[in-house]
Amino acid sequence: GENVEQHPSTLSVQEGDSAVIKCTYSDSASNYFPWYKQELGKRPQLIIDIRSNVGEKKDQRIAVTLNKTAKHFSLHITETQPEDSAVYFCAARTGFQKLVFGTGTRLLVSP
Amino acid sequence: DTGVSQNPRHKITKRGQNVTFRCDPISEHNRLYWYRQTLGQGPEFLTYFQNEAQLEKSRLLSDRFSAERPKGSFSTLEIQRTEQGDSAMYLCASSPPLPGGPLGEQFFGPGTRLTVL
Repeated sequence: GENVEQHPSTLSVQEGDSAVIKCTYSDSASNYFPWYKQELGKRPQLIIDIRSNVGEKKDQRIAVTLNKTAKHFSLHITETQPEDSAVYFCAARTGFQKLVFGTGTRLLVSP
Repeated sequence: DTGVSQNPRHKITKRGQNVTFRCDPISEHNRLYWYRQTLGQGPEFLTYFQNEAQLEKSRLLSDRFSAERPKGSFSTLEIQRTEQGDSAMYLCASSPPLPGGPLGEQFFGPGTRLTVL
């Protein structure tokens, strides 16, 4: 089955810096890669996603890149703000069924 | 609120008791998923429904766990003879019908936090 690894587990940056979180997946049939942001005690919220036929996608300060050959994908946050502080999860999905999540990255943005 | 809703939000029970959780998906979403999340971990898949049919169950789902979606709308997750290791956040998510939204996104509910004493 699919296995998703995520690094780093914690990331501390200064406000205004960029943050990069990386994930690798094992199942070459995976075709959809979402990123979720989870604040303490809250539900995971989808922030950006990408399909396997696309290499990069941007939404304002957030971008995701996908390298199908290497089976890894990354989340890039530019001009970080304190409200970006949260736990971020990557995930991979085969077909239209379950998501397999990474172990999460705790991002702390200091003012 | 038109998002995924879950009830109850919190449940404290004693070991050995049975508990049942409910999930109401976004209207017209025919796909429904249950996940379990423990502290410091990502959500782990438990089971998946398409309409009323349960199409996949994780090996994490022991015989003490059962899920239903009798009319293809809301779903229930029951845990029998609860154990302390069942303490976790139980998350429900729903997804629109094929071919789905732009990418078939899964939208999560707020979860039910279970504490087994």
